[in-house]
Amino acid sequence: LAKTTQPISMDSYEGQEVNITCSHNNIATNDYITWYQQFPSQGPRFIIQGYKTKVTNEVASLFIPADRKSSTLSLPRVSLSDTAVYYCLVAPSGSARQLTFGSGTQLTVLP
Amino acid sequence: ETGVTQTPRHLVMGMTNKKSLKCEQHLGHNAMYWYKQSAKKPLELMFVYSLEERVENNSVPSRFSPECPNSSHLFLHLHTLQPEDSALYLCASSQDLGRALNRDTEAFFGQGTRLTVV
Repeated sequence: LAKTTQPISMDSYEGQEVNITCSHNNIATNDYITWYQQFPSQGPRFIIQGYKTKVTNEVASLFIPADRKSSTLSLPRVSLSDTAVYYCLVAPSGSARQLTFGSGTQLTVLP
Repeated sequence: ETGVTQTPRHLVMGMTNKKSLKCEQHLGHNAMYWYKQSAKKPLELMFVYSLEERVENNSVPSRFSPECPNSSHLFLHLHTLQPEDSALYLCASSQDLGRALNRDTEAFFGQGTRLTVV
């Protein structure tokens, strides 16, 4: 299971774009990268998933360089309600361990 | 509302009690999970069920006993717990364990049960 490293915390201001980078140096060929968001006392919520290059949905974008040893979650124009913990997960599709969470990044959006 | 419902939302129990946590999903998913989240710690994957069969058990103490009677319901039976077992217990489900690069692997979580052992 590829180990992931994320910053413990980040601060931002409302309206700014936030980029959270995750390192996964030993990612395997069949691993996918998935990001979840968790608010206090709630279960995590799926944000986005990708394998390579760029993926975009209505919530965020995910940038994955060619070597796939890192990924960057980009949140456009954050608001106070985006304050949460963001988790980067890396594991092969089809594996029960694909949903193993690390420590995550506490994002605090300031007014 | 994620389609995954957990009851109760809060539970206080003594160390000699026996209680059960219930999880129900209305999404037609085949895989269900139990997680434990202690204060200031990452989520810990406890059990995984796929098509009602346990496929993973991450060295969880026997005082936690899961049960999956059908693909829509998952229970966690608790007995003789310790104060350090106090945590948020989260249930999740996914379509299956994931076989392709798409949203098959997306997991939907319940609101959790806040357990306090006294």
